[in-house]
Amino acid sequence: EAGVAQSPRYKIIEKRQSVAFWCNPISGHATLYWYQQILGQGPKLLIQFQNNGVVDDSQLPKDRFSAERLKGVDSTLKIQPAKLEDSAVYLCAGPHCGSGYNEQFFGPGTRLTVL
Amino acid sequence: AQKITQTQPGMFVQEKEAVTLDCTYDTSDQSYGLFWYKQPSSGEMIFLIYQGSYDEQNATEGRYSLNFQKARKSANLVISASQLGDSAMYFCAMRAPFSGGYNKLIFGAGTRLAVHP
Repeated sequence: EAGVAQSPRYKIIEKRQSVAFWCNPISGHATLYWYQQILGQGPKLLIQFQNNGVVDDSQLPKDRFSAERLKGVDSTLKIQPAKLEDSAVYLCAGPHCGSGYNEQFFGPGTRLTVL
Repeated sequence: AQKITQTQPGMFVQEKEAVTLDCTYDTSDQSYGLFWYKQPSSGEMIFLIYQGSYDEQNATEGRYSLNFQKARKSANLVISASQLGDSAMYFCAMRAPFSGGYNKLIFGAGTRLAVHP
């Protein structure tokens, strides 16, 4: 079954607070992606997992962002402490196996507002 | 460096007419893939169409076609017979290899399409 579950859908916090987002690529595929999409821009890859391991986190602000994927299934992205510029939609994606194109299938996203 | 450029921040089209959304890309890789995604105001990213770098024919999916000009490094999306429901943001993206044998997806800034009745 294709599909990516994410929660929460919306989150409002004040700057310097912490927040966590959850993702489950329902297909259980080995690869999982987290993207940040700032309003008016295209998605930007933050981190890519292959099973439990990180294969690319070159654009992840590691001083405040962290991500983990225990057991190679669901994943958590955390921001601590949040800044105003972290306001964005955070998208989780996994490959769509079986389509022949191996395109990425996106979850509904979490819209974060930092006040 | 790999890059996707979408030069049209916004486009509008009359219902039932065709519209072309521009996309150019930059890569030194021989093997790559090009995607178009649609993002309605609800926020989900919807896959529309794919073109592989070695595909000799332009991709088509229903009312969507991809005008692939490899020498010019362009991959424009053509939507025929526009419908009101086509109003959305459209993103061009490139799948490019990076170290370790993995692929990453690089997105353009997007084009907002408005379909007028």
